[in-house]
Amino acid sequence: GAVVSQHPSWVICKSGTSVKIECRSLDFQATTMFWYRQFPKQSLMLMATSNEGSKATYEQGVEKDKFLINHASLTLSTLTVTSAHPEDSSFYICSARAGRQETQYFGPGTRLLVL
Amino acid sequence: QKEVEQNSGPLSVPEGAIASLNCTYSDRVSQSFFWYRQYSGKSPELIMSIYSNGDKEDGRFTAQLNKASQYVSLLIRDSQPSDSATYLCAVNMWREGAQKLVFGQGTRLTINP
Repeated sequence: GAVVSQHPSWVICKSGTSVKIECRSLDFQATTMFWYRQFPKQSLMLMATSNEGSKATYEQGVEKDKFLINHASLTLSTLTVTSAHPEDSSFYICSARAGRQETQYFGPGTRLLVL
Repeated sequence: QKEVEQNSGPLSVPEGAIASLNCTYSDRVSQSFFWYRQYSGKSPELIMSIYSNGDKEDGRFTAQLNKASQYVSLLIRDSQPSDSATYLCAVNMWREGAQKLVFGQGTRLTINP
């Protein structure tokens, strides 16, 4: 149980384009989903928290207009990187948490390369 | 002071020995603690969660928690080469009315055959 999927697993795009990443909880309802970013040799940094049916809460320094998050259902959250630039190249990982449980389960991650 | 602090390593341990990974945290009221394993190029995988003081064992893994000292550790017995990975300590902390998982920088562990 507690499986989280992400799609795509990797994406290469041109600078200025937008990229959408999907995160799905496959066998449980995720009331809360989290989006992290990880640069090489660094730890995970939380970008934003999304609760189903409400607006995402962004961490300090994360541009909400650049990283659009939608959590329209209890099993799906999407992150759209708008007008991507090379500095947005990173490993994007989502996680999901069910109800009042404290454990987060991570998706396999999406590697983004912006040329 | 970092909120969650780990020795970044690398930590080298011979195969079959015990690997000991340590973590300290700053928020005294934190109640839930996690160890994740992350292989190179992959996302974190949950190994252990611990909520109460003392030891919690699961197979070759033992998590230890000491809330008074704000210290949590992970012991890996009979270390195998497949245990070579980065181990992330994570602590649930309340920030701005929401519970968030705060990660340490990770300890890179290498098990030498």
